[in-house]
Amino acid sequence: GAGVSQSPSNKVTEKGKDVELRCDPISGHTALYWYRQRLGQGLEFLIYFQGNSAPDKSGLPSDRFSAERTGESVSTLTIQRTQQEDSAVYLCASSLVFATEQNIQYFGAGTRLSVL
Amino acid sequence: GESVGLHLPTLSVQEGDNSIINCAYSNSASDYFIWYKQESGKGPQFIIDIRSNMDKRQGQRVTVLLNKTVKHLSLQIAATQPGDSAVYFCAEIGGFKTIFGAGTRLFVKA
Repeated sequence: GAGVSQSPSNKVTEKGKDVELRCDPISGHTALYWYRQRLGQGLEFLIYFQGNSAPDKSGLPSDRFSAERTGESVSTLTIQRTQQEDSAVYLCASSLVFATEQNIQYFGAGTRLSVL
Repeated sequence: GESVGLHLPTLSVQEGDNSIINCAYSNSASDYFIWYKQESGKGPQFIIDIRSNMDKRQGQRVTVLLNKTVKHLSLQIAATQPGDSAVYFCAEIGGFKTIFGAGTRLFVKA
């Protein structure tokens, strides 16, 4: 596609429910990243994928968070038993490769999650 | 370093003035740096980059300066316009890792 696409753009859920957030990266981009951004704050790194593999999951806030990627394309971020502190914008980005040079990340518009 | 739990510092400038946004990076081994701009309701977008073997790079109305001695990066915006109002993030890349700075919110007063 033309850019990174995330869905849904907004999600309102009740505390304790599970949610799935989807990211469609730019076609051909091998690296994919998930970030969390609380209101008025910076970017909190969650996880990255190189192909379908996630070498480093240490950024995930708790074991309620998980992510997967299939076909070196679509990725889903799943939050189980959501809590109010999970409310934030979840941003996805992709880059052509995961390398030190020219690793420009292209971001989607994010999914705004509100946990009531 | 990574920006967790911090509220964004704010820079307010008059339309037409020059803006300077600063960033202190953490890893002396970082060899590539990027500035991103995030407008309200959107994801961050690439503005300009610089490699560690350079100390200055110019784009259209933007200039990035790199001082490796003190691990400092700055973004200069010439003749700031209302459309420049956004949050600006620096990012350092090294060792297969990208670290975003805390971000600075730029307000442009008409």
